[in-house]
Amino acid sequence: GEDVEQSLFLSVREGDSSVINCTYTDSSSTYLYWYKQEPGAGLQLLTYIFSNMDMKQDQRLTVLLNKKDKHLSLRIADTQTGDSAIYFCAESIEWSGKLIFGQGTTLQVKP
Amino acid sequence: DTGVSQDPRHKITKRGQNVTFRCDPISEHNRLYWYRQTLGQGPEFLTYFQNEAQLEKSRLLSDRFSAERPKGSFSTLEIQRTEQGDSAMYLCASGGGNEQYFGPGTRLTVT
Repeated sequence: GEDVEQSLFLSVREGDSSVINCTYTDSSSTYLYWYKQEPGAGLQLLTYIFSNMDMKQDQRLTVLLNKKDKHLSLRIADTQTGDSAIYFCAESIEWSGKLIFGQGTTLQVKP
Repeated sequence: DTGVSQDPRHKITKRGQNVTFRCDPISEHNRLYWYRQTLGQGPEFLTYFQNEAQLEKSRLLSDRFSAERPKGSFSTLEIQRTEQGDSAMYLCASGGGNEQYFGPGTRLTVT
């Protein structure tokens, strides 16, 4: 079946690194995504990784993928208060591209 | 601004009434998705269009829900005989390549 799980809450201090973790179950996933949602707003695509890759870096963001363990992580370097939001992990399912989302991780950044 | 617009942004309706939402995707994208998000949860897939063809519908989409994309451009989602359990944020996503860009959503409240 299709299932994506994330821890619910993470608190860090400004300037520290944040690591948000996600596990998924569907081995046929083609791409894995990270989205950011601020209060009252829609979802902002942050980055994504092809399932045959194991790492992708994009400025302050680093995505690590362990396909064997079906584990995905998002590292945010030098976390800022503006990074406070809910972060969603999602996997895309084969031909349709529909996304299966986790329940989201709330990131709290303390000054 | 992702370039995906949704209308209305908020809708309050009485139980039993019909409602219709509209999504305008990015013009060059041929895929369009509808998702539903309830408080504290990640978005859940509802249905998917490739051009004007509706190719997949979730089991979440009861007979009271219908979606159209008549000319392969904008899409509408109609809910007939609304119930309180339909209260949620309805999100539209525009798909191009490997990416999905979300609109701001329509928040439905059924009283």
